[in-house]
Amino acid sequence: DAGVIQSPRHEVTEMGQEVTLRCKPISGHDYLFWYRQTMMRGLELLIYFNNNVPIDDSGMPEDRFSAKMPNASFSTLKIQPSEPRDSAVYFCASSLPPGYGNYEQYFGPGTRLTVT
Amino acid sequence: ELKVEQNPLFLSMQEGKNYTIYCNYSTTSDRLYWYRQDPGKSLESLFVLLSNGAVKQEGRLMASLDTKARLSTLHITAAVHDLSATYFCAVDPTGTASKLTFGTGTRLQVTL
Repeated sequence: DAGVIQSPRHEVTEMGQEVTLRCKPISGHDYLFWYRQTMMRGLELLIYFNNNVPIDDSGMPEDRFSAKMPNASFSTLKIQPSEPRDSAVYFCASSLPPGYGNYEQYFGPGTRLTVT
Repeated sequence: ELKVEQNPLFLSMQEGKNYTIYCNYSTTSDRLYWYRQDPGKSLESLFVLLSNGAVKQEGRLMASLDTKARLSTLHITAAVHDLSATYFCAVDPTGTASKLTFGTGTRLQVTL
């Protein structure tokens, strides 16, 4: 398996622009997670999906952030409009349902976002 | 609010030495994860500890979990340079393997 795939790997954009990050989970994984990592706040869970349905979005920082999962093999995280404080590394992770595996979350390579 | 604290935050150790990283958390959780992150890279799963008293070992790393003390340890035996990385623990208070809260991370540097 190719693992979790994220694109782009690097994104540089100007403040006010829309940014879309993409994720393809491991085939067969029903859970998908979006995390953000910064030096100041560490690694934070933003939102997670189960069977394409958003379950908990309490970590989404504000309305500028939105996430979708239109099918089992694709998810997007969108920031509109972007701000410099959104600069971070965004990770996508996926996992099997509890009881069907070893409870691990498998992380993608991340997207490094820089907003100038 | 759940707090997950690791100490030390930074550890410089010589090759061949032993050391322990500590992970304390503030709420009940029967499951704890350890991850490794190399600079500029993603997170790699090391251990999943599923119950009180669980102990797992892989190579020079051994992890344990004491749910009553709300403490997990990651012990490094005879460190080698390849172990240099940042190590994170993560707690799963909901028991659903979903909503993980990560610790601050411990940056380990193994010197010759």
